[in-house]
Amino acid sequence: TQLLEQSPQFLSIQEGENLTVYCNSSSVFSSLQWYRQEPGEGPVLLVTVVTGGEVKKLKRLTFQFGDARKDSSLHITAAQPGDTGLYLCAGAGANSKLTFGKGITLSVRP
Amino acid sequence: EADIYQTPRYLVIGTGKKITLECSQTMGHDKMYWYQQDPGMELHLIHYSYGVNSTEKGDLSSESTVSRIRTEHFPLTLESARPSHTSQYLCASTSTTFLPEKLFFGSGTQLSVL
Repeated sequence: TQLLEQSPQFLSIQEGENLTVYCNSSSVFSSLQWYRQEPGEGPVLLVTVVTGGEVKKLKRLTFQFGDARKDSSLHITAAQPGDTGLYLCAGAGANSKLTFGKGITLSVRP
Repeated sequence: EADIYQTPRYLVIGTGKKITLECSQTMGHDKMYWYQQDPGMELHLIHYSYGVNSTEKGDLSSESTVSRIRTEHFPLTLESARPSHTSQYLCASTSTTFLPEKLFFGSGTQLSVL
């Protein structure tokens, strides 16, 4: 079974601060995705990374896929209250099925 | 914006009742999924379908059943609800043409069984 560990589990920061959160596994994934879920809604895909070492930027969010394709990080610059939510990472195995982590609950205080 | 809809959004029922959670998508996606989500836990896949008349059980054992008679519709049924079924149920869809696969989720149904 492929497991994805996300850390930290909870994070509460002030508006304007920078943060980095992580998604780690002992397994290799063909691709890795990050989703954001707001209260009362379903997850929404933010990004998919495919190549080891790949870096993708989405406005103030920077996603990186580890060289060995076992881990990923999400860096948010100058966090805003609108960034508040549950951040889920999901890895695709050889059979393309997605394995989800438990998520990181981010709260950005005004 | 995802065109995938789940009803009801919230459901509170008594033990032993039969319920059906509805999920419909208007994107023509061939693949559809049901996930169970509990606070602090991973999303667990309970059922999936790769097309009409095709359904499979997921990684998490579930007493629910699903059907896929039409491409756009993927309802989930519990014949006799129990308190252990209390959870958030998320429906998702995608297309085989998306590589890698990317999921579009509905807003979920929060089920409470008393």
